[in-house]
Amino acid sequence: GAVVSQHPSWVICKSGTSVKIECRSLDFQATTMFWYRQFPKQSLMLMATSNEGSKATYEQGVEKDKFLINHASLTLSTLTVTSAHPEDSSFYICSASKGTGDPGDEQYFGPGTRLTVT
Amino acid sequence: GNSVTQMEGPVTLSEEAFLTINCTYTATGYPSLFWYVQYPGEGLQLLLKATKADDKGSNKGFEATYRKETTSFHLEKGSVQVSDSAVYFCALSDSYAGGTSYGKLTFGQGTILTVHP
Repeated sequence: GAVVSQHPSWVICKSGTSVKIECRSLDFQATTMFWYRQFPKQSLMLMATSNEGSKATYEQGVEKDKFLINHASLTLSTLTVTSAHPEDSSFYICSASKGTGDPGDEQYFGPGTRLTVT
Repeated sequence: GNSVTQMEGPVTLSEEAFLTINCTYTATGYPSLFWYVQYPGEGLQLLLKATKADDKGSNKGFEATYRKETTSFHLEKGSVQVSDSAVYFCALSDSYAGGTSYGKLTFGQGTILTVHP
């Protein structure tokens, strides 16, 4: 159990357009979901934390108007990259937690979405 | 702030060799410590974790002990296999509720492990 899916797995879009990435917990209810960005050969950088039914909490330096996060249900969170530019090209990964974000809670990771902006 | 430092990679070993990947951390409170593994083409998976000092996490032959005195959580395996080839991430989740980092994972830079037959 504890499977997290992401859709799409890869997407190419033109500069100036918006792209939506979905993250779903398939067999459990995710109280908390996290969105990360991973650059080539680098670590994961937390972008934001979202709890179902409330506004996402963004990390310092992450533009909330550019990276819109919606956690509409206990099994679905979406990340929308608005007015995408080539510098937004990256690997975006979501994770989901069954708990309330306590330190010992395990996070279950999706397989990631490769975004390329041309 | 919180930070995790892993040994630089990539690490290349022959099958059945001994593996150590060093990990040290700084944290505000009393963190939980994790090792995640990312196999080629797959998402990160929890390999093992420890939630308090002197705890030992273990799974699939891998072990790591939470050493508060040296702020370390080194990953070890006595005999690696080709199937262990992956990227390994050390991470911490802080327990300091008064800070803004409560419950969030901070990752090290990842270590690429390649095991040859």
